[in-house]
Amino acid sequence: GAGVSQTPSNKVTEKGKYVELRCDPISGHTALYWYRQSLGQGPEFLIYFQGTGAADDSGLPNDRFFAVRPEGSVSTLKIQRTERGDSAMYLCASSLTGGAGYEQYFGPGTRLTVT
Amino acid sequence: KNEVEQSPQNLTAQEGEFITINCSYSVGISALHWLQQHPGGGIVSLFMLSSGKKKHGRLIATINIQEKHSSLHITASHPRDSAVYICAVRSGNTGKLIFGQGTTLQVKP
Repeated sequence: GAGVSQTPSNKVTEKGKYVELRCDPISGHTALYWYRQSLGQGPEFLIYFQGTGAADDSGLPNDRFFAVRPEGSVSTLKIQRTERGDSAMYLCASSLTGGAGYEQYFGPGTRLTVT
Repeated sequence: KNEVEQSPQNLTAQEGEFITINCSYSVGISALHWLQQHPGGGIVSLFMLSSGKKKHGRLIATINIQEKHSSLHITASHPRDSAVYICAVRSGNTGKLIFGQGTTLQVKP
């Protein structure tokens, strides 16, 4: 079956612009995670959805970052007034549910470059 | 200090060598994951374990809960094993992962 997909694969934007990054999880997966990976570093947690609700958004760095999952499937990560420091690989993962015993399946990522 | 530490950060090996990558963590965990990341970003889950040892092909993962330590072993390494290997832990009942910084492995023919 289809895995996790993310669009776009690459996004170049100017400082100050607004961007949206999309994640399509595996069908039937209720848990969805967003992570951010800077060059040469391991990924860092941003936000976790269980169904439509954000169960944990403690990793969002500031109020310029926002994510939604209105129908419990596709999620959009939104970044306002982008800064050069937002440049990173944004990874999405999904799992059947959010419990500890479930594998997370990762998408290919969106590489965001803010110029 | 990071909650998840990996060593070494970089590793170069000759084809056929036995490889070990180590992971230490400082938080209570419900599970530990070993992940593989190839250039371009895609991450693949290799193992998820909460105790003991798991084996898949030439890969072996072990975990010692008391010592808060896990190892990933690769036997008979091959150039196609070249990738970044990442250790990640799940702490508590949340689904989120806490990642190590990754180990970049290069296997030379």
